[in-house]
Amino acid sequence: AQTVTQSQPEMSVQEAETVTLSCTYDTSESDYYLFWYKQPPSRQMILVIRQEAYKQQNATENRFSVNFQKAAKSFSLKISDSQLGDAAMYFCAYSGTASKLTFGTGTRLQVTL
Amino acid sequence: ETGVTQTPRHLVMGMTNKKSLKCEQHLGHNAMYWYKQSAKKPLELMFVYNFKEQTENNSVPSRFSPECPNSSHLFLHLHTLQPEDSALYLCASTQRYAFTDTQYFGPGTRLTVL
Repeated sequence: AQTVTQSQPEMSVQEAETVTLSCTYDTSESDYYLFWYKQPPSRQMILVIRQEAYKQQNATENRFSVNFQKAAKSFSLKISDSQLGDAAMYFCAYSGTASKLTFGTGTRLQVTL
Repeated sequence: ETGVTQTPRHLVMGMTNKKSLKCEQHLGHNAMYWYKQSAKKPLELMFVYNFKEQTENNSVPSRFSPECPNSSHLFLHLHTLQPEDSALYLCASTQRYAFTDTQYFGPGTRLTVL
């Protein structure tokens, strides 16, 4: 079974700075997707970014980018120019051929002035 | 209404009550999901419906009974729950039941069982 590990329960970043959230996963599949979701205090889970395993180029969405290392099974999220609105729980998730999303336990990001 | 909506947002019930959670998606999707989110645990997939047919029951106790009358609506009927069932229940949908598709989530129902 696939597993997703987020080893940082909490992270803190100053406004306008850059922060990287870590995620590792375990799988024997070669084709899969990886996702980062954000869950603010309002609770609605929002997609931040997604990466297809077959694409070597790292995905980027405005201030959010990933460092996808397929051989190392690592999928970290970099947030540049952090804003107060970035404060939330961030979940890494894996989707493989079973069509199920497997989530990590999340990283709580605090943004300070 | 846009996206995925869930009602009620908060629910407090006794162990002998019967209640229902409702999810509605306005995205034209064909697959819908129920998840349970407990503190300090990963999201747990409970049920999956694809074109109104249940395709996944992740060993969920029978006190949780899902219903999917059409591709836009999903219900979770609750009866004789236990305090450990207190959690945030999230609904999600995808265009297709496929691992390539992004799941879109509702805001969740915070359930407290007394």
